[in-house]
Parts: sequence; structure tokens; C-alpha cells
Amino acid sequence: DQQVKQNSPSLSVQEGRISILNCDYTNSMFDYFLWYKKYPAEGPTFLISISSIKDKNEDGRFTVFLNKSAKHLSLHIVPSQPGDSAVYFCAASASGGGADGLTFGKGTHLIIQP
Amino acid sequence: DAMVIQNPRYQVTQFGKPVTLSCSQTLNHNVMYWYQQKSSQAPKLLFHYYDKDFNNEADTPDNFQSRRPNTSFCFLDIRSPGLGDAAMYLCATSRDPGRLNSPLHFGNGTRLTVT
Repeated sequence: DQQVKQNSPSLSVQEGRISILNCDYTNSMFDYFLWYKKYPAEGPTFLISISSIKDKNEDGRFTVFLNKSAKHLSLHIVPSQPGDSAVYFCAASASGGGADGLTFGKGTHLIIQP
Repeated sequence: DAMVIQNPRYQVTQFGKPVTLSCSQTLNHNVMYWYQQKSSQAPKLLFHYYDKDFNNEADTPDNFQSRRPNTSFCFLDIRSPGLGDAAMYLCATSRDPGRLNSPLHFGNGTRLTVT
């Protein structure tokens, strides 16, 4: 049973527009959420995180929103750039930062169209 | 640059022939993890070491073992690989997992093929 769900396997967005990637989770014990970006033939790289005490965290073009009541988080990228084309994984932890590892979603392949 | 290095990048082994994947880190992180990722699936945690303490996930098959001889190195041993074990194996480290903003740092993975 998947505890972290990314229901869109792929998403195509025009360069310069906003990309919105969504993630839902079922485990109410999760208290720390992260987004990772993965290029082909490379390992995932950390992008941005948010703890459950916040509902928004921003870092440059990337903003993560957390809606705890809906068990939903989203990653906004604005403006989208060609280098943003990658697979994005949503991940969650119930131990405040990863002591027991992270639970990942299946990923969303973001394609930025020129 | 401090990093997580996995060798080899690609590994081909025969059905039933033991294989070892290696991971090293220059980050001096306390925790090292092994994840298995099959095509179009989420990375799945197999086990992790917190310093010398080994923590196995409940659903990790006995066929998978791990060793961490020192802080810098961690190995994944697959005793009798089956066709279903073909996957990308990702090693990751974490500095201080009890703290927020201590994300996992991943290596580039080893893609295992079983023939």
C-alpha cells in the first residue's frame, strides 16, 4: 500500500510558465516532506523540504505548499526552465528528518517545452 | 567535493551468482542507506546503518545483506540474485537524521542486470 502517491506520471509545461507537481500521503505520522529531482543516469538530488509545522517554504523559483488536513503537498516551479526537465520525487519521513529513511512516491516526469 | 560514490555504475551478474555493490562517502555522515528502485517505481528502502547499528526493513528479503566496515564504506550483498532483483540500487547518506533540514544525499546508483 503506497503511503506517498504521485498520481501524475508525467507533466508537460511550457517554458516560462508555472509547473505544479502534486503529492498525496496517507500516513498521518509523517512530519517532514521533501522533494528530490532526478536526471537520467544520476541519483536523486535534494531540492526543497518542509516540516509539518509550516504550510509553505520557498527557495528561489521553488515553493512547496503543505496542506496537512488534506494530506497533500505541492511543488511550484516558476518560471519553469528547460533545465527543470527531470523526474521529481516526493518523499516523507515520520522521524523528523530521515533516521528511518524516507518513503518515496513513484515520481512525476516533468517536461519543459521550449 | 564531498560526495557519495557508487561502484560500479553498471553490474551484470548471472542468475544465482553472488554480487556485491559498493558505496563510499566523503561526507562523514552517520547514516548510510540502501534503496532499490525498479523501473517506474518509487525507491524502496532495503536497510540502513546508523553508525554500526544495522536496521533492516521488515519486508527486505533475506537474500539481501549489508556490511559497513567503517564510516566511509557500505556494501550491498545479494547472495543469490534472481531475475526480479534487476533494478537500480541507490546508496544514500544522512548527517544527523534527528534534525530537520538533514536530507539524504544520494549516489548515482548501480544498475544491476541479472541474466
